[in-house]
Amino acid sequence: SAVISQKPSRDICQRGTSLTIQCQVDSQVTMMFWYRQQPGQSLTLIATANQGSEATYESGFVIDKFPISRPNLTFSTLTVSNMSPEDSSIYLCSVEDRGPYTDTQYFGPGTRLTVL
Amino acid sequence: QKEVEQDPGPLSVPEGAIVSLNCTYSNSAFQYFMWYRQYSRKGPELLMYTYSSGNKEDGRFTAQVDKSSKYISLFIRDSQPSDSATYLCAMSVSSGTYKYIFGTGTRLKVLA
Repeated sequence: SAVISQKPSRDICQRGTSLTIQCQVDSQVTMMFWYRQQPGQSLTLIATANQGSEATYESGFVIDKFPISRPNLTFSTLTVSNMSPEDSSIYLCSVEDRGPYTDTQYFGPGTRLTVL
Repeated sequence: QKEVEQDPGPLSVPEGAIVSLNCTYSNSAFQYFMWYRQYSRKGPELLMYTYSSGNKEDGRFTAQVDKSSKYISLFIRDSQPSDSATYLCAMSVSSGTYKYIFGTGTRLKVLA
């Protein structure tokens, strides 16, 4: 399984500022995913990031608010822009492991964001 | 109706008990079924995955899929305090799509 790290692990930010979260994988992967996990709720997919192409955003998420970069096959960033307290959440990146009878995802440790 | 339903708990059991965690789903096209364990302040960790129906065993953990009833279960035998965590079920339609649907998670506490 892939080993995934995220930076920062947590942060407290002021309303109106932006935070960039980094995700590093120890192997080359085609697709990386960004999720949000709000307290008491399930994981919500924000976007899918393919290397060399624009990220694909899920309904309710837009590029201006959550710009994503994917410069190579082991790295991605998610920026949370113009933050408000409603953006307080855990942000997780993940990668997939796909085979004939395998279709799973592995997650990073998450970034816990608090917006004041 | 949500695509995946999972009892949020919390579920408290004594050490050594057999734990049963369950999810129901509505989309009969789901083929891949996963269980993740998430400790407090950590990312979800893949525990078990199953393709299609049947049982899969790994140590103290058994994953069971009943596609006719649209019901999946995770059994933990001889539960330990270290099993205290939130358990999330997840499922996807098939290889070729990245759409995973997650349950909200069941919080489990194993009492020493």
